[in-house]
Amino acid sequence: EPEVTQTPSHQVTQMGQEVILRCVPISNHLYFYWYRQILGQKVEFLVSFYNNEISEKSEIFDDQFSVERPDGSNFTLKIRSTKLEDSAMYFCASSTRRLSNFQPQHFGDGTRLSIL
Amino acid sequence: ILNVEQSPQSLHVQEGDSTNFTCSFPSSNFYALHWYRWETAKSPEALFVMTLNGDEKKKGRISATLNTKEGYSYLYIKGSQPEDSATYLCAPMYSGGGADGLTFGKGTHLIIQP
Repeated sequence: EPEVTQTPSHQVTQMGQEVILRCVPISNHLYFYWYRQILGQKVEFLVSFYNNEISEKSEIFDDQFSVERPDGSNFTLKIRSTKLEDSAMYFCASSTRRLSNFQPQHFGDGTRLSIL
Repeated sequence: ILNVEQSPQSLHVQEGDSTNFTCSFPSSNFYALHWYRWETAKSPEALFVMTLNGDEKKKGRISATLNTKEGYSYLYIKGSQPEDSATYLCAPMYSGGGADGLTFGKGTHLIIQP
């Protein structure tokens, strides 16, 4: 069964450094998402992406975050200047259609980001 | 802020026993409810998407019911097995709400004891 893959599985970065988290969505999917879970808290939506642009973003997704689909297969999340509170598990997801069409989202295994 | 409550937060069940747990959510402008199953060190896996009041969905030994008028959904597991150990997440959606982002509850952490 096709899977969403994320790399790396664990990323350790110094505070203030830039980090890029990578995802390869399922190949025929058109909608892409990033979520995060800070330890002990809920899984939170960050951003959705369709047709090479952001379609929706949450309050968490401020100017230090950006997303990109640099080629036909990868979907990346960049955090420009990391802070300690960015430490979390980051999940990528993809779907064939939007949630409003009752489509489930398919998640990757996540990247654990640790900011020192 | 959407108030999605899942109870209990954690649950220990003997292998072979059946169990259930709850997702509560505001009923006004309800559109759909997603249930996900999330095993440790794996990715959240979609179980059900439910839309209509009285909906009942089933996948193997797992089933779910939906009450949109009072704003709750039950997830049932019949004859629990160790592989059912996971966190079960629900995410309601609303008309006029975000079209893309799932708003999850904190989940029910289920541990099946052999």
